Amino acid sequence: QQQVRQSPQSLTVWEGETAILNCSYENSAFDYFPWYQQFPGEGPALLIAIRSVSDKKEDGGFTIFFNKREKNLSLHIKDSQPGDSATYFCAASAYTNTGKLTFGDGTVLTVKP
Amino acid sequence: DAAVTQKPRYLIKMKGQEAEMKCIPEKGHTAVFWYQQKQSKELKFLIYFQNQQPLDQIDMVKERFSAVCPSSSLCSLGIRTCEAEDSALYLCSSSGQGGGAETLYFGSGTRLTVL
Repeated sequence: QQQVRQSPQSLTVWEGETAILNCSYENSAFDYFPWYQQFPGEGPALLIAIRSVSDKKEDGGFTIFFNKREKNLSLHIKDSQPGDSATYFCAASAYTNTGKLTFGDGTVLTVKP
Repeated sequence: DAAVTQKPRYLIKMKGQEAEMKCIPEKGHTAVFWYQQKQSKELKFLIYFQNQQPLDQIDMVKERFSAVCPSSSLCSLGIRTCEAEDSALYLCSSSGQGGGAETLYFGSGTRLTVL
């Protein structure tokens, strides 16, 4: 059973729109949730992260909304640009002191000009 | 910019051959993690080193892989006998004291193809 699920698998938005990527998890022990951005041929890069004590985290045009009761979170990418086209991974860790992460399958985002 | 260096970038092996890939963690980082990624899908945790000692690994690694960190500046991941299912992107990551995910950086990976 997959512990971290992402939806949709792929998403296409127009330049300037807000892209919304969803993530849900099973393990109540997860308390740290980073989002990674990966371009073809590269390793994932940390985009933004949230701890379970918070319900919202903003950084530039990226916002995470977190619902601990429902065990889900979402990444909002405001004013999407073609350069934001990439695969986005939601991940979760049971302890904030470890880099052992459980990843979702990713959402492929395409931003059309 | 990736502060974690992985070599080689590409590796092609025949089924049954041995494979080895290397990772240079970011300077000062004491925790090293290896992940496997197939077809650009989810990253699968393989093994975790803290101060060059393996602290956690999945069964597949115990059975078929060899992983060591002989120094704080070099780690390697090997596959004793490659199988087709091992074709994947192998990603090394490192983080600061305590292995915190907040300081986790990934390399660009070694793409292994087993023919």
